[in-house]
Amino acid sequence: KNQVEQSPQSLIILEGKNCTLQCNYTVSPFSNLRWYKQDTGRGPVSLTIMTFSENTKSNGRYTATLDADTKQSSLHITASQLSDSASYICVVSALNNAGNMLTFGGGTRLMVKP
Amino acid sequence: DAGVTQSPTHLIKTRGQQVTLRCSPKSGHDTVSWYQQALGQGPQFIFQYYEEEERQRGNFPDRFSGHQFPNYSSELNVNALLLGDSALYLCASSPRDRGLEQYFGPGTRLTVT
Repeated sequence: KNQVEQSPQSLIILEGKNCTLQCNYTVSPFSNLRWYKQDTGRGPVSLTIMTFSENTKSNGRYTATLDADTKQSSLHITASQLSDSASYICVVSALNNAGNMLTFGGGTRLMVKP
Repeated sequence: DAGVTQSPTHLIKTRGQQVTLRCSPKSGHDTVSWYQQALGQGPQFIFQYYEEEERQRGNFPDRFSGHQFPNYSSELNVNALLLGDSALYLCASSPRDRGLEQYFGPGTRLTVT
């Protein structure tokens, strides 16, 4: 069964600090891994997408890493801002005959405090 | 260029009733996927439509059905509503030939009382 596990479930940090969110997956056959940011009550917004051959990808203050051998990914947020408060969801895509099938993690709820 | 739009924004229904949610995909996208997101949980895949047919389906009962129209817009229907159907329902669209590009709509918040 395809699964995506994220840790921690929730995190509180002070504004300006860095943090790292973790994602472990058992999805086969692996196609790509995505990190989304979701504000409360809103739809998820894509931050990064990485395929098998990519091990690092940055989007501003967000840097995602991927280790396809250990099936782990991380999302590092640098110099956090109050607006970073949101849920961060790791999504792994498996490629089957019908196309991409996405498996979502439960998300990490991040709160940035002043 | 409008992104993915969903209607209504919020909806309150009673147990046993039926509901229809609507989604218009981003311009240029022909594939629509529906997800259910319970409070504090990650989204769960319901089904995906392409060329007006259901192509993939997650682990949801037959009470959940859908439709895609020739203009690529889509509907999600849920019959015999249960309290547990209360959730945020997300629609995502993507172009079939570039599946990495998936954009989510703002969601419809369904409350079943």
